[in-house]
Amino acid sequence: GDSVTQMEGPVTLSEEAFLTINCTYTATGYPSLFWYVQYPGEGLQLLLKATKADDKGSNKGFEATYRKETTSFHLEKGSVQVSDSAVYFCALRKGLLDKLVFGAGTILRVKS
Amino acid sequence: KAGVTQTPRYLIKTRGQQVTLSCSPISGHRSVSWYQQTPGQGLQFLFEYFSETQRNKGNFPGRFSGRQFSNSRSEMNVSTLELGDSALYLCASSSGRSGVVYEQFFGPGTRLTVL
Repeated sequence: GDSVTQMEGPVTLSEEAFLTINCTYTATGYPSLFWYVQYPGEGLQLLLKATKADDKGSNKGFEATYRKETTSFHLEKGSVQVSDSAVYFCALRKGLLDKLVFGAGTILRVKS
Repeated sequence: KAGVTQTPRYLIKTRGQQVTLSCSPISGHRSVSWYQQTPGQGLQFLFEYFSETQRNKGNFPGRFSGRQFSNSRSEMNVSTLELGDSALYLCASSSGRSGVVYEQFFGPGTRLTVL
């Protein structure tokens, strides 16, 4: 079945460091890809999305590029802040009306 | 626009009891999806309702059920609670229109603890 694999955390970085969280997927066809963020005690917020190969999603300094050849959608940010500390989920959706399939989540801790 | 609201936010039940959770979607949204989040299994899809009809269903036992009302509010019910049902239950709403890659907006969740 369809699945999403994320790098295990926690990832601990100093403020202003470069962030990469790896995400790869297994799915037939051309899924849409998403990154969600969950802050402590809150629900999930959509961070960015990409709907076709080579699309780049970006928001709040975060970026991810849909790479069909490597089935990847790695999340990057050039300079993280303490406020970026959260859990990040990579997800896919096969069809326009299909369910979201999530990765296990990666905890990010940014220290000042 | 008000966001997705879920009630109650916290709930403690004992094994064998049943529970009903409520979700009010964003105004104008007709699709409501439910997800279960646990440390062991992560985020798993329960079901989706659109215009009062279940449109999609995950791999959960029949103890988990849901419904949607004409105003798009949704409830999910878990009967005969088990310890393993302890989780954060998240509701997500979207416009649900076909032909559009729509965003799902999540509520803060209901934290269910089964003792």
